[in-house]
Amino acid sequence: QVTLRESGPALVKPTQTLTLTCTFSGFSLSTSGMCVSWIRQPPGKALEWLARIDWDDDKYYSTSLKTRLTISKDTSKNQVVLTMTNMDPVDTATYYCARDSGYVSGWFDPWGQGTLVTVSS
Amino acid sequence: DIVMTQSPDSLAVSLGERATINCKSSQSVLYSSNNKNYLAWYQQKPGQPPKLLIYWASTRESGVPDRFSGSGSGTDFTLTISSLQAEDVAVYYCQQYYSTPPLFGPGTKVDIK
Repeated sequence: QVTLRESGPALVKPTQTLTLTCTFSGFSLSTSGMCVSWIRQPPGKALEWLARIDWDDDKYYSTSLKTRLTISKDTSKNQVVLTMTNMDPVDTATYYCARDSGYVSGWFDPWGQGTLVTVSS
Repeated sequence: DIVMTQSPDSLAVSLGERATINCKSSQSVLYSSNNKNYLAWYQQKPGQPPKLLIYWASTRESGVPDRFSGSGSGTDFTLTISSLQAEDVAVYYCQQYYSTPPLFGPGTKVDIK
């Protein structure tokens, strides 16, 4: 059974850097074809894909956010970490990690429960 | 980027009736080498993460009731709920995975009339 769980601060101040961790089980990111993505959802709004990391350490980023995002993995811990710099109130959202099916891009299944991050002073 | 649009924004359907949601991509998501449409559908209920319903535009994920079906090709796609049940009240999103970034549509909210 594949599960993912997001963790990180619930509140960050403007200009700070956000660090989120996705801890997963049921698969290994050292296995060929495995990928994990981060997706976020502002309250009441649509889903926005942020970044993806592949088993071979290839990384992909949102066009609009790529200067602020860094994704990395710790295969031994079954974790993927996302950092987002220079946080702003508009970045307030629920942040999800999900297993990505791969291919050029992929579908997302399953998803973690998400973690709500509020950006406020 | 391939931009996704959906229509309608919301719809209300009587229990047992058909619900139809449309999704359009700004360019084709049909990959000619394998004749597959790189299009997925998700269901999101309040307070829950999205759940994958359909991929390859028409392949139902394991465990998804057969009242959910996907159709379409190229740039125009449809998600159909053949007989709406109370538990289907949710927001539905389409998503293309033909290219990076894999963008989502804005969502369609389905309610009971």
